[in-house]
Amino acid sequence: KAGVTQTPRYLIKTRGQQVTLSCSPISGHRSVSWYQQTPGQGLQFLFEYFSETQRNKGNFPGRFSGRQFSNSRSEMNVSTLELGDSALYLCASGTAGADTQYFGPGTRLTVL
Amino acid sequence: EDQVTQSPEALRLQEGESSSLNCSYTVSGLRGLFWYRQDPGKGPEFLFTLYSAGEEKEKERLKATLTKKESFLHITAPKPEDSATYLCAVQSTSGTYKYIFGTGTRLKVLA
Repeated sequence: KAGVTQTPRYLIKTRGQQVTLSCSPISGHRSVSWYQQTPGQGLQFLFEYFSETQRNKGNFPGRFSGRQFSNSRSEMNVSTLELGDSALYLCASGTAGADTQYFGPGTRLTVL
Repeated sequence: EDQVTQSPEALRLQEGESSSLNCSYTVSGLRGLFWYRQDPGKGPEFLFTLYSAGEEKEKERLKATLTKKESFLHITAPKPEDSATYLCAVQSTSGTYKYIFGTGTRLKVLA
């Protein structure tokens, strides 16, 4: 079974730009969660989607948004990028919210 | 507030030197506790899920145990390839589905 895939793997953007990251979950998984990982803060929860509905949201500003499509694929968008948004963005999928999550390889975002 | 604390932050072991990593947690109700391994620049790799106190899981040189307040990841006779950051996360019964992660233990196993 193929694992969680994330595209692109690396991104370089400048301040003020916006970016869209994509995540394809493991086949059959309907829950997709997004996390931001930085050396100082560790893994921080962004939001979780299940069957195209956002079920929970972490403490991030409104510049961070997401959506999930009918095939369970998910996208995350960050608008008006700031230097502090530089991080590894991780996507995780699971069969349901209350179950083990499996992570993708991440997208490394660098904001200059 | 739900919280996860991992110790030590970093650990250096000689090959074959067994040790344990600790994950202390505070949650209103535990739905599950998860252990992951993460190599530099990669996504976390799932190791174990524990649901109730007294539960134990094993995989190769790793064994995870759970009590009502903490979990231990025991590493027996580690090898250099076990070097990684080990992450612990909890999921509460509060109705949300997010994981709360600890900051991890960086393990280095020397040959």
